[in-house]
Amino acid sequence: GDSVTQMEGPVTLSEEAFLTINCTYTATGYPSLFWYVQYPGEGLQLLLKATKADDKGSNKGFEATYRKETTSFHLEKGSVQVSDSAVYFCALIYSGNTGKLIFGQGTTLQVKP
Amino acid sequence: GAGVSQTPSNKVTEKGKYVELRCDPISGHTALYWYRQSLGQGPEFLIYFQGTGAADDSGLPNDRFFAVRPEGSVSTLKIQRTERGDSAVYLCASSLPGTGLYNEQFFGPGTRLTVL
Repeated sequence: GDSVTQMEGPVTLSEEAFLTINCTYTATGYPSLFWYVQYPGEGLQLLLKATKADDKGSNKGFEATYRKETTSFHLEKGSVQVSDSAVYFCALIYSGNTGKLIFGQGTTLQVKP
Repeated sequence: GAGVSQTPSNKVTEKGKYVELRCDPISGHTALYWYRQSLGQGPEFLIYFQGTGAADDSGLPNDRFFAVRPEGSVSTLKIQRTERGDSAVYLCASSLPGTGLYNEQFFGPGTRLTVL
């Protein structure tokens, strides 16, 4: 079945460091891909999305490119801030018709000043 | 405007008891989803409503779990004979009309259920 795998956390970086969080997926067909973020004490929020191969989603300095050939959707940011500390979830839309999301296990990012 | 709200925010119960968790979606969102998030894991799909009907309940783990949405707005997730393994954060999300394939799902803050 469809699934999403993320790199293990936690990821600890200093402020202004470069961030990469790896995400790979297994899916039937061509799903849409998402990154959600969960800040401490808050609900899940959509960070960015890409709906077809080679699309690049971007928001708040974060980017991810839909790579069909490597079935990947890695999240990157050039210079992280303390306020980026959160749990990041990669997800895909199930290839059926219900729009249910399939999530990875999440990666915790800690940014130190 | 108001986001998705869930009540209670925390629920502690004893093994074998019955619990109800409530979700109030964003006004006008006809699609509603329930997910369950265990500690250290990503959310797992439970059930999807389009309007009043459950269009996909394939994620409900067993027949102790049931959800309703009688008027197409508020939804209640019901768990009978709770077990310690049911302890998790239960998340609700809603989206605009349609399957949600390209419609952003807006998540509530969740209900943390602890079964002692």
